[in-house]
Amino acid sequence: EAGVAQSPRYKIIEKRQSVAFWCNPISGHATLYWYQQILGQGPKLLIQFQNNGVVDDSQLPKDRFSAERLKGVDSTLKIQPAKLEDSAVYLCASRDARSNQPQHFGDGTRLSIL
Amino acid sequence: GIQVEQSPPDLILQEGANSTLRCNFSDSVNNLQWFHQNPWGQLINLFYIPSGTKQNGRLSATTVATERYSLLYISSSQTTDSGVYFCAVGRGSTLGRLYFGRGTQLTVWP
Repeated sequence: EAGVAQSPRYKIIEKRQSVAFWCNPISGHATLYWYQQILGQGPKLLIQFQNNGVVDDSQLPKDRFSAERLKGVDSTLKIQPAKLEDSAVYLCASRDARSNQPQHFGDGTRLSIL
Repeated sequence: GIQVEQSPPDLILQEGANSTLRCNFSDSVNNLQWFHQNPWGQLINLFYIPSGTKQNGRLSATTVATERYSLLYISSSQTTDSGVYFCAVGRGSTLGRLYFGRGTQLTVWP
């Protein structure tokens, strides 16, 4: 089966600019996650969707980050305006909603803020 | 959230050596995954192992959920095993959200 698709793979922007990332989960996976991985650390959850509804966005900096999952399939994550500390890899993952299933991760988007 | 501690933080091996990576977690879980992050940043699923023992080629993993730890064994290591190994845990109350450790950086020299 096809894996989780993410684009772009790399993005370089200046601080205060805006940026958007796209994720297409594995077909049929109802649960979708966005994680942020800062250099030298493990990934940390930003937001979790179940179909097109938000389950957990408690760690999302809502003053600058937004995410949506229209129609319960693809998702976009946006940062506006970007700060230097947003430099990180942004990983999308999806999971079959049935119990006892692993999460599958995309290749991520590496974001550099100048 | 759940605290996840991995040890050792760094590991340097000669090709052919064996190693054991450890993951301790602070609460009961019903999801535990081991990942390998390669030098290109890709997170590769190694094991989904909330309990018990599994083997896949030169890799095997054991989770003792009642004692809140998991071990990843790498035998006859190869240079391609280099990268960061992450343990991640989750529980049903959070609908599958994973909490990651800081990882073990493994370097295998020829």
